[in-house]
Amino acid sequence: SAVISQKPSRDICQRGTSLTIQCQVDSQVTMMFWYRQQPGQSLTLIATANQGSEATYESGFVIDKFPISRPNLTFSTLTVSNMSPEDSSIYLCSVEDRRQGIKTQYFGPGTRLLVL
Amino acid sequence: AQSVSQHNHHVILSEAASLELGCNYSYGGTVNLFWYVQYPGQHLQLLLKYFSGDPLVKGIKGFEAEFIKSKFSFNLRKPSVQWSDTAEYFCAVTSSGGGNKLTFGTGTQLKVEL
Repeated sequence: SAVISQKPSRDICQRGTSLTIQCQVDSQVTMMFWYRQQPGQSLTLIATANQGSEATYESGFVIDKFPISRPNLTFSTLTVSNMSPEDSSIYLCSVEDRRQGIKTQYFGPGTRLLVL
Repeated sequence: AQSVSQHNHHVILSEAASLELGCNYSYGGTVNLFWYVQYPGQHLQLLLKYFSGDPLVKGIKGFEAEFIKSKFSFNLRKPSVQWSDTAEYFCAVTSSGGGNKLTFGTGTQLKVEL
């Protein structure tokens, strides 16, 4: 499977500021995804990021709050804008592997965000 | 919309006990099913997956899961757990009607005691 890295691994931020999270993959992938895992909860899909097109956001998530870039097939960023304590969460990126026609998602290590 | 239910939120077992974690999904069409595991302080890792064919799938570390279409279930099993199996386990599904969207269950925290 692809090797996925995320930066930063963790951060503590003040409310009202923004943080950009980077996701780097060691191979070219078409589909990348951003998830949020709030404390004690499961993973929730924020958006799907395809290279060369606008990200597709899930219900409850908007581009102004979570702008995403996907400049090439190995890299994506997610920005958490105008943060509030409710944004404290783990943010994960994943990539879709389509080898042998089977779509499987593999996840990065996550970025642990605490907003004060 | 597809959804996934994991009814066991916390499970505590002794080493060598058998494990079965329940997973039920709601979507009635063609589904792809996954179990992921998150060991303490580590990445979310793929444990096993089902796409088609034999409904009994085997994964890493001695885990297996059985797809029972009539029961909309994909329960995870291991005959004899080890202390190192302590982790959080997530069931997830994609479906023919849901595109690439991977929907996760709420997770089961497994603690294996020596």
